[in-house]
Amino acid sequence: EDQVTQSPEALRLQEGESSSLNCSYTVSGLRGLFWYRQDPGKGPEFLFTLYSAGEEKEKERLKATLTKKESFLHITAPKPEDSATYLCAVQVPQGGSEKLVFGKGTKLTVNP
Amino acid sequence: SAVISQKPSRDICQRGTSLTIQCQVDSQVTMMFWYRQQPGQSLTLIATANQGSEATYESGFVIDKFPISRPNLTFSTLTVSNLSPEDSSIYLCSVEVLGTGTYEQYFGPGTRLTVT
Repeated sequence: EDQVTQSPEALRLQEGESSSLNCSYTVSGLRGLFWYRQDPGKGPEFLFTLYSAGEEKEKERLKATLTKKESFLHITAPKPEDSATYLCAVQVPQGGSEKLVFGKGTKLTVNP
Repeated sequence: SAVISQKPSRDICQRGTSLTIQCQVDSQVTMMFWYRQQPGQSLTLIATANQGSEATYESGFVIDKFPISRPNLTFSTLTVSNLSPEDSSIYLCSVEVLGTGTYEQYFGPGTRLTVT
């Protein structure tokens, strides 16, 4: 069974305090790994897609990396507006197409 | 990217009734998905809806409970039938598009359903 585990469940940082969120996965066949940001009461906001080990992508203060077993979302010098729940999802084959399997997320709080 | 709207944004329904959720996309897409997000939980795929074919349901979800229509490449509906309090959840529509060399999956704002 395809599984995605995110850690920690919750993380509190001071503004400017860099850290990383982890997403580990056990899947039958990884097609891609997706990162999302979700604010309360809203749908997930797409951040990145990663396809192969060693791949990295950046967007403002966020950088996502991928290995064969896990992905990291690095947050550099976070600001309070980075507070949100960050979701990781793996894209796996399903019949003739694919589907996303989500982790439970990491709730990030950045204090001013 | 893709801009997705959903109607209604929220609703309160009595048990035994049904709610139909509409999903509209600003561009033509092949793949559309419906997800459920229960309170404090992550997203669970209900079904994949491709235009011109029957929806494909995930384990634990059945067509009689969650009928889906996909009449064209920009629109889909999800009906949650015979409502019970356990159906209280956020329902999200999603589409897959080809971005700059990668596939990206975008989500609508969600429909918050409360069943009394």
